[in-house]
Amino acid sequence: GDSVTQMEGPVTLSEEAFLTINCTYTATGYPSLFWYVQYPGEGLQLLLKATKADDKGSNKGFEATYRKETTSFHLEKGSVQVSDSAVYFCALVNTGFQKLVFGTGTRLLVSP
Amino acid sequence: NAGVTQTPKFQVLKTGQSMTLQCAQDMNHNSMYWYRQDPGMGLRLIYYSASEGTTDKGEVPNGYNVSRLNKREFSLRLESAAPSQTSVYFCAAHRDTSYEQYFGPGTRLTVT
Repeated sequence: GDSVTQMEGPVTLSEEAFLTINCTYTATGYPSLFWYVQYPGEGLQLLLKATKADDKGSNKGFEATYRKETTSFHLEKGSVQVSDSAVYFCALVNTGFQKLVFGTGTRLLVSP
Repeated sequence: NAGVTQTPKFQVLKTGQSMTLQCAQDMNHNSMYWYRQDPGMGLRLIYYSASEGTTDKGEVPNGYNVSRLNKREFSLRLESAAPSQTSVYFCAAHRDTSYEQYFGPGTRLTVT
C-alpha cells in the first residue's frame, strides 16, 4: 500500500538557520503530496501542496518540490524563526481516493 | 466561519465507560474523517464518511463506532473504553474540489 517516510526528529536549529525535513513516499500512480503543520495544542493545518511532478508548493517561506524520479517531497526553509517550532507531517493522497496517508511527523525546535 | 469544531477538548474516562466525541463543520464539505494521533505513529484513520449516510472503516476501527448524523456532524463513540484508546482524536473535513483536509483542534482522551 501507499506509505510516507519522514526523517525522525526532533530537529533542533538556531533562529535563521536553514531547514530541511526529508520526506519520501511509496505510491502507485500519481499521488498529490502535502505538508501539514501542527503547532502546540492545535490541530493540523495545511502548509503547502503539490499535485504533479516538478510542481513546487510554497507558503510562509517554506517550499517543497514534487520529485517523481526520487519519490521525494522534502520541506525547506531558508531562515527559520522561533515561531516555526511545530510538528511537520508529510502526507499523500492517491488519485481516485480520498484518504490521506501520513508520515509519522517531525518535530522542529527553533531556539533564539 | 468556525471551520471544524470538536467537543470536548479534554476527557478522562475509566476503563469500561462509554462516551461520544462530537465533530461539526460549517464548510459544507461532503467527506469527514476521524483520526487518532499517538506518539511516534503519526495520524491513523479510524473511520471516514464520504457523504451523509455513509461510513467506512479506516486503518484502526476496532473499539469505535461512528455516526454521520447529517452533512455537518460526524460523531465517534467509544462503547467500552480501554487504556489503549488513550490518544488525541482529530476530526477533519475534506474539501470536495481538492484533496485538502481541514482539521479540528482535537480531543485529548485519557482512559485509566
